Amino acid sequence: EDKVVQSPLSLVVHEGDTVTLNCSYEVTNFRSLLWYKQEKKAPTFLFMLTSSGIEKKSGRLSSILDKKELSSILNITATQTGDSAIYLCAVGTPPPTSYGKLTFGQGTILTVHP
Amino acid sequence: AAGVIQSPRHLIKEKRETATLKCYPIPRHDTVYWYQQGPGQDPQFLISFYEKMQSDKGSIPDRFSAQQFSDYHSELNMSSLELGDSALYFCASSLIGQGAGYTFGSGTRLTVV
Repeated sequence: EDKVVQSPLSLVVHEGDTVTLNCSYEVTNFRSLLWYKQEKKAPTFLFMLTSSGIEKKSGRLSSILDKKELSSILNITATQTGDSAIYLCAVGTPPPTSYGKLTFGQGTILTVHP
Repeated sequence: AAGVIQSPRHLIKEKRETATLKCYPIPRHDTVYWYQQGPGQDPQFLISFYEKMQSDKGSIPDRFSAQQFSDYHSELNMSSLELGDSALYFCASSLIGQGAGYTFGSGTRLTVV
């Protein structure tokens, strides 16, 4: 059974801190690893990673995949209160057995205090 | 830009009743996925459709069924509702080959009382 594990489950920091969220996976057929930010409702897309060692950046957020270690990290620098959310990691499996089904980790709840 | 539309946003049903959730994918997306997210849980894959055919099945109870129609919208039918079915139900759509194209709807919050 495909499995995605995130750590820590919960993190409380102050504005300006840098945080690193971890995601490890065990899946039969890996296609991609995706990071999502979930606030009140639907998860919003952050990054998709398919190649090992290539960092993706978007503003204060960055992420990298390590296929050897079957893991990924999401970094957020200079955190702001608006970064408070649940960060979900998901692994996508390819066709033909599955048309891009995502297996989610349990999420990391990030709370940023002013 | 068009997003994934789900209706209703909120639904309250009694035990043993039936509920129907609707999902309208992004135009030209050919795949629809349904996820269930219980309180404090990660989203769990229920079922997906590719070009109106069921393509994959996850942890969907036998009391639930789903289909995708000719206009690509999808409906999740839930019968004999149980208290444990209370959850946020997300629909996502994508275009095959675009791994980043998983766009989620805002979800339907189902409460079974």
